[in-house]
Amino acid sequence: DAMVIQNPRYQVTQFGKPVTLSCSQTLNHNVMYWYQQKSSQAPKLLFHYYDKDFNNEADTPDNFQSRRPNTSFCFLDIRSPGLGDAAMYLCATREGKIDYNEQFFGPGTRLTVL
Amino acid sequence: GQNIDQPTEMTATEGAIVQINCTYQTSGFNGLFWYQQHAGEAPTFLSYNVLDGLEEKGRFSSFLSRSKGYSYLLLKELQMKDSASYLCAVMDSNYQLIWGAGTKLIIKP
Repeated sequence: DAMVIQNPRYQVTQFGKPVTLSCSQTLNHNVMYWYQQKSSQAPKLLFHYYDKDFNNEADTPDNFQSRRPNTSFCFLDIRSPGLGDAAMYLCATREGKIDYNEQFFGPGTRLTVL
Repeated sequence: GQNIDQPTEMTATEGAIVQINCTYQTSGFNGLFWYQQHAGEAPTFLSYNVLDGLEEKGRFSSFLSRSKGYSYLLLKELQMKDSASYLCAVMDSNYQLIWGAGTKLIIKP
């Protein structure tokens, strides 16, 4: 089945220790998103790619960076995680050539910062 | 500013009907989405409305009034597995989703 895959599902890191979260998709969608979601809150958009065009939200901390080496893969790098970065990180994709269609989400990576 | 409002929590009984409301104020409108999210899991797509009126899909229906900036999700014949958070999201003029914080629906036997 075509899908959005995130690894790992659970990630534990130490305060200040860099961590990378990965997302891959078999849907061949040209738009990919990274969201941060804390408990009982709305997903917060961090970045999105339209093909290789990178779009950074204005309030995304500099501590967060992203890479998209090809259509299928996208990575979220947190350079120096703080306790406030503990959250669920969601990757989503969308077929951007059709404007009015839904985003497909991966299962998420739950990040714990010790 | 952009704003999506929905109730924080609702409780309903198994077999009953529940309506979850959503009001919005956004810069541009390219449709409204409803997603279901079970605890600890990713959101899954339920419905999309871009024209006024009711869209029915099995036990779930979604209604939109663009002039009022208002939508609701109607769930019929509630089942225990419907216990989840329901997120309302509006696609703005840049085709980005503006999300509500979600309504936690608790189903009681």
